[in-house]
Amino acid sequence: EDQVTQSPEALRLQEGESSSLNCSYTVSGLRGLFWYRQDPGKGPEFLFTLYSAGEEKEKERLKATLTKKESFLHITAPKPEDSATYLCAVQPFYGGSQGNLIFGKGTKLSVKP
Amino acid sequence: DSGVTQTPKHLITATGQRVTLRCSPRSGDLSVYWYQQSLDQGLQFLIQYYNGEERAKGNILERFSAQQFPDLHSELNLSSLELGDSALYFCASSKISGTSGRSGRTGELFFGEGSRLTVL
Repeated sequence: EDQVTQSPEALRLQEGESSSLNCSYTVSGLRGLFWYRQDPGKGPEFLFTLYSAGEEKEKERLKATLTKKESFLHITAPKPEDSATYLCAVQPFYGGSQGNLIFGKGTKLSVKP
Repeated sequence: DSGVTQTPKHLITATGQRVTLRCSPRSGDLSVYWYQQSLDQGLQFLIQYYNGEERAKGNILERFSAQQFPDLHSELNLSSLELGDSALYFCASSKISGTSGRSGRTGELFFGEGSRLTVL
């Protein structure tokens, strides 16, 4: 069964304290892996797409990496405005979702000034 | 602002009732997706329409149905509501069908702000 597990569930950082969020996945053929950011009361906002192991993408203080079993979202010198829930999703080639996204439950990041 | 509009933002109703949630996709987007987000389950894919036709089904209950109209807006109908149906319902849109190959941003969805349904 296709599955996405994110850890930790919650993460508290001080401003400037770098860290990483983990997304482990099991999927019957990976079409793509996606990171989204969700603010309270809002819909998810697209951040990155990764297609193959070894690929990396960067945007401001965020960097996403991908291996054959997991992805990491590295946050360098975070600021309070980076506080949000970060969602990881996979898009399988096959399976019950018929190619649609399977989301993890997210990591809630809090960055204190 | 993602460009995806959902109404209503909040809805409170009773068990056994029926509600309709509405979604207007971004201009030019042909695909509409519905997702349910609850605290314990996370975001769950329900159903996808592409240019008026059903394209994919996920974990959608038989009590739920959806459609996409010629102007591309979509409605999600929830009937015989139960307490467990209380959740955030998100609509998302994209230009492509979602089942194409790796070309393009196949997973880049634009989400609305959601409709919060409370069933009492």
